[in-house]
Parts: sequence; structure tokens; C-alpha cells
Amino acid sequence: QKEVEQNSGPLSVPEGAIASLNCTYSDRGSQSFFWYRQYSGKSPELIMFIYSNGDKEDGRFTAQLNKASQYVSLLIRDSQPSDSATYLCAVPLPSNTGKLIFGQGTTLQVKP
Amino acid sequence: NAGVMQNPRHLVRRRGQEARLRCSPMKGHSHVYWYRQLPEEGLKFMVYLQKENIIDESGMPKERFSAEFPKEGPSILRIQQVVRGDSAAYFCASSPRLAGGQETQYFGPGTRLLVL
Repeated sequence: QKEVEQNSGPLSVPEGAIASLNCTYSDRGSQSFFWYRQYSGKSPELIMFIYSNGDKEDGRFTAQLNKASQYVSLLIRDSQPSDSATYLCAVPLPSNTGKLIFGQGTTLQVKP
Repeated sequence: NAGVMQNPRHLVRRRGQEARLRCSPMKGHSHVYWYRQLPEEGLKFMVYLQKENIIDESGMPKERFSAEFPKEGPSILRIQQVVRGDSAAYFCASSPRLAGGQETQYFGPGTRLLVL
């Protein structure tokens, strides 16, 4: 089992829909979780981080964390074509270190 | 407040040459991380440094690669005797401090290395 797993996609949604991106991780001791967005040929850009079980909302983005099931998800409401990018889930592993382990990323395509 | 700076943005080297990649962290950040992204692959951790110290180099290839973060100046990732398989995007990230692994890392624009 990979340490951080994501479905590579592509995930295709129509403009205005909700895009749901999922990530599972292997270390039950993980405490913090990060979502980055990466446009083609660009560097990763931090979107959200979440530490506690439950939901965290920031604008059109909501991160959901379920530590018991070891998954973290990112919901994008009212998806726009400009949201089309690769979304990377990252977890510090071992936990409480600076070493980020990234999933393969999920490519999102928002169609007008 | 300037973000993480990397230079050069693009670097072309012939096999056997040396590549030096530089990273200046965000102002106030004392932790630097290097990641590599091979074509069509995910980001892979290489090394984590603080000023004058290598904290974790578990992702660094055992040969030809080295990194430093001196007391003054940028962090340097050095690749000696480059091979075509070193062609990749190399990203630097920085964070202000480490508090239980909860400090966010901010990425620079990356250096795209092409080995001919």
C-alpha cells in the first residue's frame, strides 16, 4: 500500500458542479494534511490544510478529514474552468516531521 | 513579502556536467525542503535542511547529489556528473518553523533541469 494514495483521474465535471477529490493515507498517527493545486508546468500552490476531524471550509473549498477511516477529501463547489489542474494531497510522514509525502495527484477537468 | 525564490528557472546541462540549483526561502523562514518531480510523476521528497544542518536526507540519491544551507546565502542543491535521468523539475519549499509537522510549506517556482 502506498503511503498516500489518490485516484489519478482525470476527473471531469461540468462547470458549476461539485468536484470531489479523495486521498487515503497509511499512517494512523498522521496529524496534518495538506491540499496543493498544481497547474501544468507550474509549482504546487497551497490550497488548504486540515488537522482536526470534520470539515474545514474556505470559500468554495471544503476539506474533510476522517482519521478513523484514514482519508481526507477536498470538495470544490461551483467548479470553474480555472479550477482545472492537478490536485495533490500531502501528508508529513513520519508524522510530526517536515517530510511531505505526496500522492500522485488527481487531474481535474472542469468543462464549460 | 517575496515568496520562495529559485534560480535558475531553466537549466540545460550536458551529460557529465554539474548542476547547481539555488533556493532562497521566504523571509523569516529557516526551514528548506527540496523535492523532485520527474516527468509525468509525483513530487518526491529529497532533503530537509535548516541553517547549516541537514535534518533529513532520506530522499537523496546516495551518489552525485548533495545539498547545503549555509549560514549566509541561499540553499544549494548540487548534482554532479548529471545523467539524462536527472532531467526533472526541482522544487524548493520553505516553512517558518516546525511545530509537530503542522507548518505549511510554500513552494518556489522550480528549476527545470534538462540534461542533453
